This record gives sequence, C-alpha cells and structure tokens, in this order.
Amino acid sequence: QVQLQESGPGLVKPSQTLSLACTVSGGPLSSDGYYWSWIRQYPGKGLEWIGYLSNTGTAYYNPSLKSRVSILLDPSQSQVSLELMSVTAADTAVYFCARSSLRWFLTWGPGTLVTVSS
Amino acid sequence: EIVLTQAPASLSLSPGGRATLSCRASQSVSSTYLGWYQQKPGQAPRLLIYGASTRDTGIPDRFSGSGSGTDFTLTISRLEPEDSALYFCQLYVSSPRGFTFGPGTKLHIE
Repeated sequence: QVQLQESGPGLVKPSQTLSLACTVSGGPLSSDGYYWSWIRQYPGKGLEWIGYLSNTGTAYYNPSLKSRVSILLDPSQSQVSLELMSVTAADTAVYFCARSSLRWFLTWGPGTLVTVSS
Repeated sequence: EIVLTQAPASLSLSPGGRATLSCRASQSVSSTYLGWYQQKPGQAPRLLIYGASTRDTGIPDRFSGSGSGTDFTLTISRLEPEDSALYFCQLYVSSPRGFTFGPGTKLHIE
C-alpha cells in the first residue's frame, strides 16, 4: 500500500522559493504507468493542479504556474520535490502530493499548509 | 480553457435519502475524462468515480456517476452521516495536458 507524506516549511516569505518534499513509502517511484503530482487547495477550498512528473522524468505543468514551478524525482530518497519560485500571498494553500495515473489522482498525502507572509 | 461548475454549492439532506450532485462543463467533453472525488474535513480528497461512471476500488455501490457531453451527475443513495463531505468533479484535458476541478458541493447529512 503506497503512502505519501508531504514535508517542508509552513511559512515562506514573499518573493522567496517554496520547497516541499513528498516521501513515498510502500512502492517504488519508478512504477510504470504512474505519475507523481502536486495539487494545492486554497483556503476557500478550491483545488488547483500544479503539475506532474512521469516515472521517466517527463514533466507537465499548469500553464499558469509553468514559469515558476519545478517538480523533480529523487529515487535515492524516495522523494518527489516541488519548488515554486517568487511566491506571493496568493500561493498560500494546502499542498498535496499524489500518485496518479494519466488521468486520475489515485493516492494522496495528507497535505501540508504553506502560508506566504512576511 | 474548459471550466467546470457544480450545483448546488451546498446541500443538506437526511440519512436514508438520495443526493444528486451536478457538474457542468463549459464545452462538451469526453466522459472518459470526468471523475469525482470526496473530501472529508481535515483529509485529502479521495477518488470515487472515474470515466464518469466507474467506481474506484472499494467505493460502495451507493455511489454512482452518469452523464455525457456537458452534464454529469454524482448520485449518492441511502445516505449515511459519514457521507458528509465536499464533493469535487475533475476533468483531464489531453491537449495541452492538464487538469481542472469544479468548485465543489458541500453535502451535509443530518
């Protein structure tokens, strides 16, 4: 049973880079047919897909965030990382990682709240 | 860009009843690409239905999905208090690849 756990700073200053890690247990990062996703949920509860990475390392990003976001795999740590540059208060959200198929978000981590504030 | 809207925004029903949740797309989409998620307070969303009508593993048959084109429905029968949650629809877009979510329907069973 694959389990995911997000980790990282809960508070980030405006204009800095938000960096989160998702630690995967119970299964390899290299499983065929799966993608590793990041999704965020705003305080008002709306969900936004940030991007995902195939097991071969091909990345797909939300066009609205593409210029600021990077998702990487680190098999040695069994982690999927998210970096979001030049954050503003509008990036305050709960950030989820998820193991996905091509079309669906199958297994989610519990999420981590990131607040952008000085 | 395809926009998903959901109705109603919130719904309060009694145990044993039936809930009908609507998801409408701003243009016709393939039902193969439409899914539904349930999110209970303090938890991550959970996939209920994919391909508009296929229940994910372990999802009770009280949950059913239907629809095509622009109009999709999630029906929950024999409501239980544990069904109280936010319900989101989600669309996969193949080109350019991406995903969009509806704003959600809050269901309260009491």
